[in-house]
Formats: sequence, C-alpha cells, structure tokens
Amino acid sequence: DQQVKQNSPSLSVQEGRISILNCDYTNSMFDYFLWYKKYPAEGPTFLISISSIKDKNEDGRFTVFLNKSAKHLSLHIVPSQPGDSAVYFCAARRAQGGSEKLVFGKGTKLTVNP
Amino acid sequence: EPEVTQTPSHQVTQMGQEVILRCVPISNHLYFYWYRQILGQKVEFLVSFYNNEISEKSEIFDDQFSVERPDGSNFTLKIRSTKLEDSAMYFCASRTSMNTGELFFGEGSRLTVL
Repeated sequence: DQQVKQNSPSLSVQEGRISILNCDYTNSMFDYFLWYKKYPAEGPTFLISISSIKDKNEDGRFTVFLNKSAKHLSLHIVPSQPGDSAVYFCAARRAQGGSEKLVFGKGTKLTVNP
Repeated sequence: EPEVTQTPSHQVTQMGQEVILRCVPISNHLYFYWYRQILGQKVEFLVSFYNNEISEKSEIFDDQFSVERPDGSNFTLKIRSTKLEDSAMYFCASRTSMNTGELFFGEGSRLTVL
C-alpha cells in the first residue's frame, strides 16, 4: 500500500546548491503533509509541514511546495549544507477518527558534498 | 528543549519471549503513537493512543501487541511472544492537541529477535 511515494532513494548535491526532494501521494483525503529528517540511530525530526489548503510554506532555507492537482509535493533546501546530509521522509496525515496517523514514504538519502 | 525518551535503546531477545519497550512522551502532550521501521523499509504506523485508549491500530498491531499508559508519564509497548519478523526499530511519538500534524519522535528502541 504505497500511498506516499518517494521515487528517488538517493540524491547527491554540492554544498551551496539547491536540493530538491520529491514526493507523490495517491490519497486525496490527506490534509497535512510533512517532511522529517532522520540521522542514523536517531528518530525522525520534524522539518516543515504544509496544509493541503496551501501551495507553499517556507521556513528559512527550507520550502515545501504542494501541487494538489498532481498529488505532488517537493522540499527545496537552499543553500544546501553538509549538515543537511540525512534521510528525508515525506509523510502525509490522514485525519480519521481523531488518531491522525502519519503515512510515510520510503525516504530519500541526501548527501551534500563539501 | 522537551523531548520524547525511549528505553531501552537496544534489546536482544529470544523468539517467543515477551518484550516491553518504554517511552516517556513530552509532558503536555495528549496523543501518543508507536511506529516501527524494519531495516531498509519505511516507517510504519502501529498504534495511536488518546484518553487512555487505543484510537487506531494497523494490521501489524495484532493480539501479540498491547499498549499501556500505566501512570501519568510512561507509555509502553508490549510484545507478548516475539517473532523474528518483529526485529525493527520502534519509535514512540507524541503530539499536542494542536492541529498541525507534527509528531515528536523519540530516538527509537532497536529490537533484535534471535
């Protein structure tokens, strides 16, 4: 059941350049989309989110774009830094019965080269 | 900064043994979750818990699993009779009542079933 898909398992960029991580979803009932960052042996850390009623949310170097008609979202990191190297998970929230569980993609491993 | 804490960080057990994973959510949070990640796979929802009862559970969360909030601070996941395929990283998460979708994750408990 791949409701949230991250088709690129890895991405490598140069320091200072833009990193673009992509995510597609199938369920139109999702009402929030989130990006989490995960280092090895640590739990996922929240990065940025966007409500399904918006098309852009920006927080410092991180911007998330949502294209509802294409069921696609992307995370832009500008400028990329070596410390951004981690696995990035796209997640979507389906509010159902109050539990509001998150459905995660498989993750994209970002490597930012100095 | 408040954080979700989990113990143990790593547990090795024999197949068929009972395991209890413990979590201390952030103190003013009201919603609690367990997720797991099998090596190389996506983070999967197991169960959500609110107001002292399960609000939603996945197909993975069968009769071998149970959750409890025995006091005002701890939130536990019990696996009654572990199987090899239960080997995974188990993440506890919590959130406030604010409707932003953001979950705060602990660092995880690695369970290895031999």
